[in-house]
Formats: sequence, C-alpha cells, structure tokens
Amino acid sequence: NAGVTQTPKFRVLKTGQSMTLLCAQDMNHEYMYWYRQDPGMGLRLIHYSVGEGTTAKGEVPDGYNVSRLKKQNFLLGLESAAPSQTSVYFCASRKTVANEKLFFGSGTQLSVL
Amino acid sequence: AQSVTQLDSQVPVFEEAPVELRCNYSSSVSVYLFWYVQYPNQGLQLLLKYLSGSTLVKGINGFEAEFNKSQTSFHLRKPSVHISDTAEYFCAVSDQPHFGNEKLTFGTGTRLTIIP
Repeated sequence: NAGVTQTPKFRVLKTGQSMTLLCAQDMNHEYMYWYRQDPGMGLRLIHYSVGEGTTAKGEVPDGYNVSRLKKQNFLLGLESAAPSQTSVYFCASRKTVANEKLFFGSGTQLSVL
Repeated sequence: AQSVTQLDSQVPVFEEAPVELRCNYSSSVSVYLFWYVQYPNQGLQLLLKYLSGSTLVKGINGFEAEFNKSQTSFHLRKPSVHISDTAEYFCAVSDQPHFGNEKLTFGTGTRLTIIP
C-alpha cells in the first residue's frame, strides 16, 4: 500500500524558478492538504482541497498555487520561487469529514537559493 | 483564534524512564486535540486523539494523554520509553473535526531523544 506519495523528495531551485510538487494518494480520499514545516514554527497549512476540482486557501497561501484535476492527485506550484519558500513540504489526505486521521506523505525538502 | 504551545523544544530521556511531553492550548470554542509523531525522514502519523468522552486517551506504542480542560492542557505520557520512540512529537488542536476545511493548528514540536 503506497498511501500518500510525494515527488520529488529533494529539490534545489534558484530564485525566480518555477516548479510543481506532486502529491498522489491511492486511498480514494476526498480531502487533501499541503503543509510547510519550518524550524520552530510547526506545520502551517498552505492550501487544501475538499474534493476533485475544488481548492481553497489555508494559512500561508501567498506565492503558491494548487490544482486538483484528479481525485488522487494534488499539485502544489511555485511560479517564482523565493528564498522564503525554503522549507519541507508535506502533503496529507483524509477520507471523509467523519474520519479525523490525516495520512501524511514523507515530505519534500525544497531549498531556494 | 486557537493556538498550541509546546513548552519544550527538546526532551532527552534515558531508556526505560518515563516521559511527559507538555502541550497547552487556547481556543474560544470546543476543542479537539491530537498528538502526531514524526520519525526521522518520514511524514507525521497520528498517535492519539481526544474528541469527547473520557479525558484519558490511549494511543499507539504505549502512549497516553490526558485532557485537562481547567488547565487547558493535553500532555503526552509514556511510562517507559524505548530507543524506537526517538522522534519529533506534535500537538495539534482543531475546533471543527467534522468539516474538511477545519483549521488544524500544530504546535512547534518537541524532539524526544532517548539515551541508551
């Protein structure tokens, strides 16, 4: 069982470059989330989706865009990377509103130089 | 607004000793509390959760936590730790567990290091 898979695991970008992080889940979950984890700040919600074709802003959405064209995939895009976006990014998913457990991917470590 | 405070950023403990990881929260409405664990180079996993009912909650790997409303705390405990418990532990609070878009607020984490 793959669960939640994130690609890539590591990436180094130059300021101004763009990239897309892919999150894929094979558990038929409705809800998907993107978090960033920074030292001393815990996890902060960037964007989330409550179903295919829907997305919404979280706590720190600026500089990021997302898409949920297929139920199993949730993409996080950085159009013009900035050093402040250096972080570890986690994707998570959950089946339904009544299931509180979040399933997390193993993370993507992104460095923006 | 809700918030979570984990008072200790790092906790070293000898193997087989007891441990308590502290978590305090603030919220203006009913709260739902969670502890997640992150092992090295992995994503977070749910350890336990409090939604309602008994204030003593038992989770996986021998951990338990007690919800104390008067002290607004949800401390995590284990009577005897093992090397495999070395990880980072996150406390989280949510005020709406039954909606997909509820805000789950995480603490800054406590790094538990087990000393052989």
